[in-house]
This record gives sequence, C-alpha cells and structure tokens, in this order.
Amino acid sequence: GAGVSQSPSNKVTEKGKDVELRCDPISGHTALYWYRQSLGQGLEFLIYFQGNSAPDKSGLPSDRFSAERTGGSVSTLTIQRTQQEDSAVYLCASSPGLAGKAQYFGPGTRLLVL
Amino acid sequence: AQSVTQLDSQVPVFEEAPVELRCNYSSSVSVYLFWYVQYPNQGLQLLLKYLSGSTLVKGINGFEAEFNKSQTSFHLRKPSVHISDTAEYFCAVSEAAGGTSYGKLTFGQGTILTVHP
Repeated sequence: GAGVSQSPSNKVTEKGKDVELRCDPISGHTALYWYRQSLGQGLEFLIYFQGNSAPDKSGLPSDRFSAERTGGSVSTLTIQRTQQEDSAVYLCASSPGLAGKAQYFGPGTRLLVL
Repeated sequence: AQSVTQLDSQVPVFEEAPVELRCNYSSSVSVYLFWYVQYPNQGLQLLLKYLSGSTLVKGINGFEAEFNKSQTSFHLRKPSVHISDTAEYFCAVSEAAGGTSYGKLTFGQGTILTVHP
C-alpha cells in the first residue's frame, strides 16, 4: 500500500514569508508525528497528533509554528514569518497509534529560507 | 525525559567486514528501543526494535541488536556488510506503554556508515 507522502519535496522561501508543509499519512494510522532534521540539532520531535487532537505540542520551537490535522488524516505544518534558522528537513511519520508500534516516515520536505 | 548517545559519528568499513554501531541511552522510565536507517535524500526506515523479551533482536537486511539493560546500551551489528549498507543510522528511544509520551521518539545524533569496496 501507499506510504507516507509529503509535499512539497523542496521549498525555497524568503525570510519573513509563511510556508505550509503537507503530510498524508498511511490510511488508518491514527497517530501522526512531525520531526525536524537539521545539521546543528539532529532529529527533533515537533508535535504529535492522535486523531485530530494534538496532546503533545512540546517540540514546537516558537509560536510561529503551528499544525493541524483534519479528518484524522492529512496534516499541515505552518511556519509563519520564516527565519533562516527554520531551514531544515521536516519529516512526518504515522503509526497505528500504540506505543511501541513502528513509525513510518515520509521522504520529508526540504525547506530553505533565504 | 530520555536521551540517546551514538558514540561514533562516522564508521568506515570495508565490504564483507563486520560492523558495530554503538548506542547508549538514558531514561528514568522503561523504554522501547529502535534503530532506523536513512539513505540519501530519503526518509527513515525501521531496521529493528526492542520492546520486551529476548534481548537479541533481529531486523531487516541482516542487522541485529542486543539490549543490555545494565549498560543501558543497544548496539547494532552486522556480521558482513555490503556497499548498499552505506547510509546514516539512527538509534532512538520512546517511553514504554503506560507512560505519557505517546510513542514520541528521541533520536541520537546518527552514525554515518561508509562501506568501501
């Protein structure tokens, strides 16, 4: 079956612009995670969704970052007023929703803020 | 909170040689342990995981890992590597079931394995 898909695959934007990153999880997976991968910080957790609610937003680095999930499926990560330090690969993962279950990762969105 | 330390940032090895990638973790609660592999310009793929039971875990592509609770380690091994194993490998932990982290993964910094012919 289809895996996790993310769009766009690459995004170049100017400092101060807003960007939206999209994640389509595996059908039926109730849990969805966003992570960020950057040279200086490695892989960092951003936010977790169970269904449409986000019980853990502890990894969002600032209030410029927000995310939503609709219909228990597609999720959008929005970064407002982008800064150069936001440049990174944003990875989405989904799982059946129980601790210990494997998380399946998408290919990521590579964001470059000029 | 959990933390993960991968002791080697880069490991060069010749084809058909054995390899061990080291991982140590720290946690005040019970954890699950994972190894993921990332090929260039791709997402992460699960190699293997330890939840409970036998401390020796076998995964895909001939990899295995051993959980050592006393040493808080989860080292990854392969007896004979191939050129195609060249990739970055990440060790990760999550809080075990019954906790509040909902399976959130905490990753190590990664180890780049380069297999030379």
